[in-house]
Amino acid sequence: ETGVTQSPTHLIKTRGQQVTLRCSSQSGHNTVSWYQQALGQGPQFIFQYYREEENGRGNFPPRFSGLQFPNYSSELNVNALELDDSALYLCASSKTGGTEAFFGQGTRLTVV
Amino acid sequence: KQEVTQIPAALSVPEGENLVLNCSFTDSAIYNLQWFRQDPGKGLTSLLLIQSSQREQTSGRLNASLDKSSGRSTLYIAASQPGDSATYLCAVFSGYALNFGKGTSLLVTP
Repeated sequence: ETGVTQSPTHLIKTRGQQVTLRCSSQSGHNTVSWYQQALGQGPQFIFQYYREEENGRGNFPPRFSGLQFPNYSSELNVNALELDDSALYLCASSKTGGTEAFFGQGTRLTVV
Repeated sequence: KQEVTQIPAALSVPEGENLVLNCSFTDSAIYNLQWFRQDPGKGLTSLLLIQSSQREQTSGRLNASLDKSSGRSTLYIAASQPGDSATYLCAVFSGYALNFGKGTSLLVTP
């Protein structure tokens, strides 16, 4: 059984650019959530996908968008990058919402 | 809005000590509470999940308790080891998202 994997592990982008982060969920899991973790803070919920539909969203602007594919893998897209978008982006998968969540190793995004 | 607080923010103990990490939350209408470990710059490792109907869960040297009515959870670590050094995060699930505290940074010295 494979765990949650994210790619890439590190990324440097310029302000104003667009970025796509990827996540493969754990086998048997149909729910994927994305979180943003700034340095020294707890993760903040961005949004959740269940069976390819957005199922909930945190307090993030529309330039944060996502997709979930039929194999339950997911993408997080961020447009018009700002310096404050620099953070660790974490993906979590679970069998359904409310069951144990398993996280990937994260993608460290630096916006310069 | 659910607020999760973890005390203390940082803790340094000598190897072998038993220790308690605290987590409090403002809204008792939760489905479950999960404790995670995070090593520097890494993802989160799930340690224990307590359902709202449960009072405690145990895994090895770790024991987590939940008092939903008072909005509190504790993580007890027995016989601490240097390898336990990490940040410990508490998260409550109230709907579709986990709400996290800022974590307790633990250092266990040899």
